[in-house]
Amino acid sequence: GIQVEQSPPDLILQEGANSTLRCNFSDSVNNLQWFHQNPWGQLINLFYIPSGTKQNGRLSATTVATERYSLLYISSSQTTDSGVYFCAVERSISGNTPLVFGKGTRLSVIA
Amino acid sequence: GAVVSQHPSRVICKSGTSVKIECRSLDFQATTMFWYRQFPKQSLMLMATSNEGSKATYEQGVEKDKFLINHASLTLSTLTVTSAHPEDSSFYICSARDLQGGYYEQYFGPGTRLTVT
Repeated sequence: GIQVEQSPPDLILQEGANSTLRCNFSDSVNNLQWFHQNPWGQLINLFYIPSGTKQNGRLSATTVATERYSLLYISSSQTTDSGVYFCAVERSISGNTPLVFGKGTRLSVIA
Repeated sequence: GAVVSQHPSRVICKSGTSVKIECRSLDFQATTMFWYRQFPKQSLMLMATSNEGSKATYEQGVEKDKFLINHASLTLSTLTVTSAHPEDSSFYICSARDLQGGYYEQYFGPGTRLTVT
């Protein structure tokens, strides 16, 4: 099956710093999503981005589908950005197949 | 975005008892829902795919007689952990897909933390 690798596994930032999280996947995909899991366990949708670039406030994401990777940028990080960031992909566009998750990047933003 | 709810958020039960977890899509219909399990500091592990009106599809290694899934309506799927044991203690998360502008985006419930004593 498709493999998803995320890097770095852990990241510690000073508040206000910028960061880039990477997601590599082993096959072509029709769906790629980024999630933030907060300290209470809730997964929050950040981006649906199988290709191209999107921005939402201090966050932006870019997926280069032909090279099988996606990047999540966090600018001017805040302590509330702490948590685990997951990348997940799906090969099918049918909507009935599950997402395959990477192992996540654990981000700690310190004041 | 779409909202998925889960109930209960936290449950403690004694070994040998059964626990039912409900997953609801609040503002959309979901013919397919997914159940995941997450151990501390690990990623999400897919347990099963729940299809409305038909039997669930379980991932390899997941006991279907232990983790009973019922998807009786387009907005409700339930996971019942039968004869629970301490090793079943985990964080269980459901998800559902909503069709957004021609593509499916997956949304997650807040999770249920199960502790079996």
